[in-house]
Amino acid sequence: DTEVTQTPKHLVMGMTNKKSLKCEQHMGHRAMYWYKQKAKKPPELMFVYSYEKLSINESVPSRFSPECPNSSLLNLHLHALQPEDSALYLCASSQEEQSNQPQHFGDGTRLSIL
Amino acid sequence: DQQVKQNSPSLSVQEGRISILNCDYTNSMFDYFLWYKKYPAEGPTFLISISSIKDKNEDGRFTVFLNKSAKHLSLHIVPSQPGDSAVYFCAARGNQFYFGTGTSLTVIP
Repeated sequence: DTEVTQTPKHLVMGMTNKKSLKCEQHMGHRAMYWYKQKAKKPPELMFVYSYEKLSINESVPSRFSPECPNSSLLNLHLHALQPEDSALYLCASSQEEQSNQPQHFGDGTRLSIL
Repeated sequence: DQQVKQNSPSLSVQEGRISILNCDYTNSMFDYFLWYKKYPAEGPTFLISISSIKDKNEDGRFTVFLNKSAKHLSLHIVPSQPGDSAVYFCAARGNQFYFGTGTSLTVIP
């Protein structure tokens, strides 16, 4: 069983829709991450939150909006996405952003944009 | 430009034999290296890691070797089991984690 829970597992949305991806961890980790992964490519970092503050934004378009309501939750709000945004979105957490501790991943949300 | 590379997209090994997965990186400032295992429809699962101050770390059937001068990382699995069949990603930490493209390992019974 994964310790990082992502919902929903699958999401199909139109380009004008607004939806949110959710991620939850209860390991007491203080760093949380969003990654985007396309087929046969490595995960690409989108955002990092450290102690509930945005630490890294890898020049992600504003149609992706992250939110960290508390230390256990991480959301990714989606609006006006493009077909090329279809991908697997992975959430991860780690004890601290720069610690020698691994990231723990959720199972991802498979997003399809029509 | 890929800072972490796994040049073998796939590998097949007989059950009981050794599996060796390789990974190369370009940035000498990377200080922490990891291997993840991924089954279909699941997220990557942490397998084993190594700090740049070491050259070997062992955990049961899994051993990671680090050759800093060659900027090369390898994962040895011995003996290989059918349940080890999965995609293996290496990762390295600089200012963020950088991942390779993965190697699909098939262990043949």
